[in-house]
Amino acid sequence: ETGVTQSPTHLIKTRGQQVTLRCSSQSGHNTVSWYQQALGQGPQFIFQYYREEENGRGNFPPRFSGLQFPNYSSELNVNALELDDSALYLCASSKRGQGTYEQYFGPGTRLTVT
Amino acid sequence: DQQVKQNSPSLSVQEGRISILNCDYTNSMFDYFLWYKKYPAEGPTFLISISSIKDKNEDGRFTVFLNKSAKHLSLHIVPSQPGDSAVYFCAAENQGGKLIFGQGTELSVKP
Repeated sequence: ETGVTQSPTHLIKTRGQQVTLRCSSQSGHNTVSWYQQALGQGPQFIFQYYREEENGRGNFPPRFSGLQFPNYSSELNVNALELDDSALYLCASSKRGQGTYEQYFGPGTRLTVT
Repeated sequence: DQQVKQNSPSLSVQEGRISILNCDYTNSMFDYFLWYKKYPAEGPTFLISISSIKDKNEDGRFTVFLNKSAKHLSLHIVPSQPGDSAVYFCAAENQGGKLIFGQGTELSVKP
């Protein structure tokens, strides 16, 4: 069983640029959620994708957007990067509709905005 | 608005003893509670969960207790091992699959 993978591992961008982060869900999972983890904090929910549509969103501005593909993989796009966007971005996959709520996380992408 | 709180940033215990990590929440509508363990440079690893209709769930060395009247849950690890040293997050799930995390507690298990 393949776990959740994310790419790239690390990324350095300049303020104002755009970034795309990628996630492959665990085999058999149909739902992907994205989280932002700032230093010393717990992960914060950005949004969730199910059946290629956004299914819930946290308190993040519209410049954070995403996609889910037919194979359940997903992208997180962030436009007009700000210094405060520097964080660890985590992707989690889960199997919706099975009565379980566990989400399984990838290793994360460390984004630094300078 | 911190709906899930872990008030102890760190905890140190001796190998073989019990580790008790605590978590408080404010929203009585949460359906499910989960504990995750995180090592540096890795994503959180799922440990154990409990439904809001139960008060205890056990899996090997890990037991989670839920006190709904106090809006409090705790994770017990017994016996604690040096490999348990990590940051532990509690999380609550609301309808729709959004996880709300606490700030984390760093557990250090000393040999």
